[in-house]
Amino acid sequence: DAGVTQSPTHLIKTRGQQVTLRCSPKSGHDTVSWYQQALGQGPQFIFQYYEEEERQRGNFPDRFSGHQFPNYSSELNVNALLLGDSALYLCASSLGSSREETQYFGPGTRLLVL
Amino acid sequence: AQSVTQPDIHITVSEGASLELRCNYSYGATPYLFWYVQSPGQGLQLLLKYFSGDTLVQGIKGFEAEFKRSQSSFNLRKPSVHWSDAAEYFCAVGSYGGATNKLIFGTGTLLAVQP
Repeated sequence: DAGVTQSPTHLIKTRGQQVTLRCSPKSGHDTVSWYQQALGQGPQFIFQYYEEEERQRGNFPDRFSGHQFPNYSSELNVNALLLGDSALYLCASSLGSSREETQYFGPGTRLLVL
Repeated sequence: AQSVTQPDIHITVSEGASLELRCNYSYGATPYLFWYVQSPGQGLQLLLKYFSGDTLVQGIKGFEAEFKRSQSSFNLRKPSVHWSDAAEYFCAVGSYGGATNKLIFGTGTLLAVQP
């Protein structure tokens, strides 16, 4: 049973560029959440996708956008990259979005913005 | 506001010694609480969770946590630490709203294990 997978594992970009990160949820899961983990910090919620729609968004600007595909996989896009966007980006999947559902995390994509 | 506080940024224990990692939360309703562990270069692995019922919950790898409502705490414990437990530990509270379940994390506690 495949867990949550993310690609790429590492990425280096320069300021102003755009980046796309990808996530495949755990088998059977239909809900994907994205988190940003800056160095020395806990993960922070970016947004969640269910049925191809964005649900709640955390405190992140519109430069951060996403998409969910019919097969439940998801992409996170960040435009006009800033140095402060350097972080580990974690994808988590769950079956539905009720409070009882556990979120399972992927290994993350480490983004470095120069 | 909902929040999680992990007062200890870094803890060092000897192998075989007991461990307690502290976690305090602020949440208006009944909290759903989690402990995750992150090894270097890895994602987050769920150790245990508390939703309701028995306030002492057992998790994987010999970890347990106790929910104390009166103290707004959910401390993680292990009776005997192994070298492989060296990692960063995150406490989180599940926040539900707008048909969305999101996790609010603390800043983490980095555990070092010395021989």
